Amino acid sequence: DAGITQSPRHKVTETGTPVTLRCHQTENHRYMYWYRQDPGHGLRLIHYSYGVKDTDKGEVSDGYSVSRSKTEDFLLTLESATSSQTSVYFCAISDRGYYGYTFGSGTRLTVV
Amino acid sequence: GENVEQHPSTLSVQEGDSAVIKCTYSDSASNYFPWYKQELGKRPQLIIDIRSNVGEKKDQRIAVTLNKTAKHFSLHITETQPEDSAVYFCAASRETSYDKVIFGPGTSLSVIP
Repeated sequence: DAGITQSPRHKVTETGTPVTLRCHQTENHRYMYWYRQDPGHGLRLIHYSYGVKDTDKGEVSDGYSVSRSKTEDFLLTLESATSSQTSVYFCAISDRGYYGYTFGSGTRLTVV
Repeated sequence: GENVEQHPSTLSVQEGDSAVIKCTYSDSASNYFPWYKQELGKRPQLIIDIRSNVGEKKDQRIAVTLNKTAKHFSLHITETQPEDSAVYFCAASRETSYDKVIFGPGTSLSVIP
């Protein structure tokens, strides 16, 4: 489905625990992004990657880390989950870096 | 940093009427402006985009206009239909590979049958 999958689709976790979300693509696109979506804030960029092992911070990167060891996988880790990180997380891919993002189906994360 | 504002946050129109969503951006170097539509419970999808070298672009019932001097751009939907109900996001970016797309906060459009 659209060459991009996110896992898990839903997760409930406790405050203080680490959490890893996975984004997997089959399009061989160079650029991958993690966004979070919250009411009233739209889509805010957390981290992005412009190649294997090449990553950079977005506008809301505090409390998050990422890794990209293969072209197809981009992992987002919440090092110690907090209630403020309850959100819907979207991964996106692009072959040009700014044009024509394809989004994954999203992961709904609840931190209790 | 770069900021994109979007108005209104919610919009209700009667089926068949037109809908207009307006955005402003802060980075004068931005030159690529996409619009994404997100239906309830689904992923955002690109519906139309415009580059700074044109002032208007149309695709069937959807049109986008750009005023670079004022740093404004707008989405116009004519003859609205119930399936147009969704959240619409405007965004802005420089047209370079390493630049990020910055999204507005979204407009929730409801088309009343």
